[in-house]
Amino acid sequence: GQQVMQIPQYQHVQEGEDFTTYCNSSTTLSNIQWYKQRPGGHPVFLIQLVKSGEVKKQKRLTFQFGEAKKNSSLHITATQTTDVGTYFCAGPLGTTDSWGKLQFGAGTQVVVTP
Amino acid sequence: KAGVTQTPRYLIKTRGQQVTLSCSPISGHRSVSWYQQTPGQGLQFLFEYFSETQRNKGNFPGRFSGRQFSNSRSEMNVSTLELGDSALYLCASSLAGGPLHFGNGTRLTVT
Repeated sequence: GQQVMQIPQYQHVQEGEDFTTYCNSSTTLSNIQWYKQRPGGHPVFLIQLVKSGEVKKQKRLTFQFGEAKKNSSLHITATQTTDVGTYFCAGPLGTTDSWGKLQFGAGTQVVVTP
Repeated sequence: KAGVTQTPRYLIKTRGQQVTLSCSPISGHRSVSWYQQTPGQGLQFLFEYFSETQRNKGNFPGRFSGRQFSNSRSEMNVSTLELGDSALYLCASSLAGGPLHFGNGTRLTVT
């Protein structure tokens, strides 16, 4: 079945540094979504990418969707303590009308040291 | 708008018991999905409901069931609880084709 893999599993970052987390799917995705879960919290939607090669920015966060629509990346510049949390990518598991059925990656847990 | 509301927040149950979790979606959202989150398996899809119909079901045993009511509120039930059912159960609502909006979850501990 479809698998969504994320690397790295853990990311320790010095405050102010940049880092990138990667997401790879075993199958072509119609779209990819990114969520962030703070410690003790619930996943919160960040962004959805739909088009091949799409790049979207949210302040210090840059999201990319690969040309083959099988991989994605999240790049954070000038990391801040507010970036602490686990970042998940997720792709649809079902048909186009099953938007609630997502395959989540294992997540990248980000720890920021001041 | 109020967010997704899940009750209760915490539950402690004994093996063999059953449990019912409740989820009230964001007003206007007719799609409700349930996920199980554990440290070992991560976020796993349980089921998805739309307009009172179960559209999709994940790879969980029949002990896990759910339903959706006409007001889009949803419940999930786990019968004959096992230790491995201890997890954070997350409910998410969405508009058609939109992103998932998760509730705070119900933390279930089975002893």
